[in-house]
Amino acid sequence: GAVVSQHPSRVICKSGTSVKIECRSLDFQATTMFWYRQFPKQSLMLMATSNEGSKATYEQGVEKDKFLINHASLTLSTLTVTSAHPEDSSFYICSALVAGAQETQYFGPGTRLLVL
Amino acid sequence: AQKITQTQPGMFVQEKEAVTLDCTYDTSDQSYGLFWYKQPSSGEMIFLIYQGSYDEQNATEGRYSLNFQKARKSANLVISASQLGDSAMYFCAMGQLSGGYNKLIFGAGTRLAVHP
Repeated sequence: GAVVSQHPSRVICKSGTSVKIECRSLDFQATTMFWYRQFPKQSLMLMATSNEGSKATYEQGVEKDKFLINHASLTLSTLTVTSAHPEDSSFYICSALVAGAQETQYFGPGTRLLVL
Repeated sequence: AQKITQTQPGMFVQEKEAVTLDCTYDTSDQSYGLFWYKQPSSGEMIFLIYQGSYDEQNATEGRYSLNFQKARKSANLVISASQLGDSAMYFCAMGQLSGGYNKLIFGAGTRLAVHP
């Protein structure tokens, strides 16, 4: 149980384009999902908290117009990197909380984004 | 401010031996959770073990146990009978209760290499 998927697993795009990353909870409902960013050989940094049916909460220093988050259903959150630039290249990973059990986050496999 | 410290950037262990990965934390909260995640080279974050701040007994999950010393603010992970598949990055994280759920703050990680 508690499986989280992400799509795509890897994406290469040109500078200036937008990229959408999907995060799905496959066998449970997730009212809350999180988006993290991880640079090579570094730890995970929380970008934003995504709540179903409401606006995402962004961490300090994260541009909400740059990283658009939509949590339209209890099993899906999307992160759109708008007008991507090479400095946005990173590993993006989402996690989800099992509804009613708010202790443990289950992570997706991550998405590697490379902006040329 | 909440902070997680992992002082061991890398650790080596012989197969079948036990290894301890260190983690200390700093928080002024009375209620918090401590987590360990494993990140293999594929990038996925795999949940290993959880310890609540009010749990009196150390958490155990199979070969994983958490040596929780609240007064010293440490939450070391002990892996018994190491296996080659245990080679990975290990992250200690603290759950910061916010809005009814845990936002995770991660340490810098420890890379574990298990030798045959």
